[in-house]
Amino acid sequence: NAGVTQTPKFRVLKTGQSMTLLCAQDMNHEYMYWYRQDPGMGLRLIHYSVGEGTTAKGEVPDGYNVSRLKKQNFLLGLESAAPSQTSVYFCASRIGRGGQGSNQPQHFGDGTRLSIL
Amino acid sequence: AQSVAQPEDQVNVAEGNPLTVKCTYSVSGNPYLFWYVQYPNRGLQFLLKYITGDNLVKGSYGFEAEFNKSQTSFHLKKPSALVSDSALYFCAVRDMNYKLSFGAGTTVTVRA
Repeated sequence: NAGVTQTPKFRVLKTGQSMTLLCAQDMNHEYMYWYRQDPGMGLRLIHYSVGEGTTAKGEVPDGYNVSRLKKQNFLLGLESAAPSQTSVYFCASRIGRGGQGSNQPQHFGDGTRLSIL
Repeated sequence: AQSVAQPEDQVNVAEGNPLTVKCTYSVSGNPYLFWYVQYPNRGLQFLLKYITGDNLVKGSYGFEAEFNKSQTSFHLKKPSALVSDSALYFCAVRDMNYKLSFGAGTTVTVRA
């Protein structure tokens, strides 16, 4: 049971380059999330999705775009990378709102460590 | 808006001693609270949650948390800490749109 898988695990970019981070989950979860983790700041929500074809902005969405074309995948894009986007990025998923779903925890991937020079 | 605060950046305890990691919350309405643990180079792992009911919640790996409405706190506890409990711990609160807000995290070091 893979759970939430993030690729790549590490990446170094130059300022201005673009890239896409992939998150895949095999638990048939409705909700998916992208966070960034920076020292002393906990996790901050970038974008999230409550179902296939839908996305919404989180706390720190600027400089990022997302897509949820398939239920199992949630992509995070950086169109023009900046040094301030150096961070560890985590994807998470959760079952939907029906029944007890709204009280269920999020499941996290192991992160993508991104450095922008 | 909802938020949580973890007042201690670091907690150091000796193996076998009780461990407490503090968390206070601010919400409008009923609180839905979670604790997660993060080991080096890994994602967050769910430990336990408070939704409603008993104020003492039991979770994974021998951890428990005490919900205190009057003090707006949700402290994580373990009666006897292990070296393997050394990790980064996050408290989180769920908002009405089912998003989580996380505290800054507390680094726990358990010395042998």
